[in-house]
Amino acid sequence: QKEVEQNSGPLSVPEGAIASLNCTYSDRGSQSFFWYRQYSGKSPELIMFIYSNGDKEDGRFTAQLNKASQYVSLLIRDSQPSDSATYLCAVNINTDKLIFGTGTRLQVFP
Amino acid sequence: EPEVTQTPSHQVTQMGQEVILRCVPISNHLYFYWYRQILGQKVEFLVSFYNNEISEKSEIFDDQFSVERPDGSNFTLKIRSTKLEDSAMYFCASTLGGAGTGELFFGEGSRLTVL
Repeated sequence: QKEVEQNSGPLSVPEGAIASLNCTYSDRGSQSFFWYRQYSGKSPELIMFIYSNGDKEDGRFTAQLNKASQYVSLLIRDSQPSDSATYLCAVNINTDKLIFGTGTRLQVFP
Repeated sequence: EPEVTQTPSHQVTQMGQEVILRCVPISNHLYFYWYRQILGQKVEFLVSFYNNEISEKSEIFDDQFSVERPDGSNFTLKIRSTKLEDSAMYFCASTLGGAGTGELFFGEGSRLTVL
């Protein structure tokens, strides 16, 4: 059973639109949830983390967590071509490691 | 801005050879990690290191792998006898308070190619 699942995409959205990225996880003991962005050939960089059910907003980004349904999502408002990257969902299950999903490739076209 | 630095950026080696990948974590961080990413696949956890010892390791991190913090700044990953399937990008990461508490800062990676 996969621990963290993401649709690999690509998810294509026009510039200015809202991009919605989803992630499900299997372990109900998961404590904290992270969204990383990875440009091709580069290392992951953190966008946001969320610990509690509900929404957390940071600029154009909103993370949403629903522990009962075991999913976490990332909304990107006013998408820009520079947002084109692979978005990695990562989960911590109260251990000293993050478990990453395979990532969703986002393409924002002008 | 402080950053995690890794060397070499790319290493090519023959199967069966030993490889050492080096990392300099952010200076005040206490937790150190190695992850790897095979081309086109997900980022996989290898090992975490805290207080001069391994705190957790994955099934991938078998006897051919070892980590060391030989001084106050470097954090190394050694692969004793490389295999073709070890070809991947290896990322070092560090954080101040542990993996679940906030941002993992990743280095730019060391690409290992095993021939």
